Amino acid sequence: KQEVTQIPAALSVPEGENLVLNCSFTDSAIYNLQWFRQDPGKGLTSLLLIQSSQREQTSGRLNASLDKSSGRSTLYIAASQPGDSATYLCAVKRNDMRFGAGTRLTVKP
Amino acid sequence: DGGITQSPKYLFRKEGQNVTLSCEQNLNHDAMYWYRQDPGQGLRLIYYSQIVNDFQKGDIAEGYSVSREKKESFPLTVTSAQKNPTAFYLCASSIVATSGSPFQETQYFGPGTRLLVL
Repeated sequence: KQEVTQIPAALSVPEGENLVLNCSFTDSAIYNLQWFRQDPGKGLTSLLLIQSSQREQTSGRLNASLDKSSGRSTLYIAASQPGDSATYLCAVKRNDMRFGAGTRLTVKP
Repeated sequence: DGGITQSPKYLFRKEGQNVTLSCEQNLNHDAMYWYRQDPGQGLRLIYYSQIVNDFQKGDIAEGYSVSREKKESFPLTVTSAQKNPTAFYLCASSIVATSGSPFQETQYFGPGTRLLVL
């Protein structure tokens, strides 16, 4: 059974800092991996989708990488802003969709 | 605007009562999903449907029921058999990949319904 782990569970950084969020999974046989953002009490917003054949995807200040063989993905956020404060979730997909518990990010002004 | 709507935003259930959560989408997606989110845990799949009048159980289907009579709608009923229903419930939709798997494509989520027990 696929297990998805996100470390750290919470992270607090000053504004302007570059940061990395980690996601690991136990079964490398995946179709793709997706990163989401969730604001408190809200639904999920898709940030980036990486297909299993890809190594990375970029959108604005966000860059997600995928190393399928080692079961790892990272989400890099450049020049963090207070508006980036949210919980970030990763999910891996094959015959179902398995989510990590998320990393709660706080960016302090 | 295309999107997914969930109602109500908050729902209160009395012991022994069945309650129904609404999910509607106008994205013309074939697949729809229900997830449950508990504090400190990842989302867990309750049910999903790839086509009208058909649906499949997820990991935690016990105590829940669904119907898919229309492409746009996928209501979830939390029955009295669900002994710990307090959670945040999220509905999602997606297209179905040409391979037939609904999980290959990007899922789009609604704003959620928080269910509380009185």
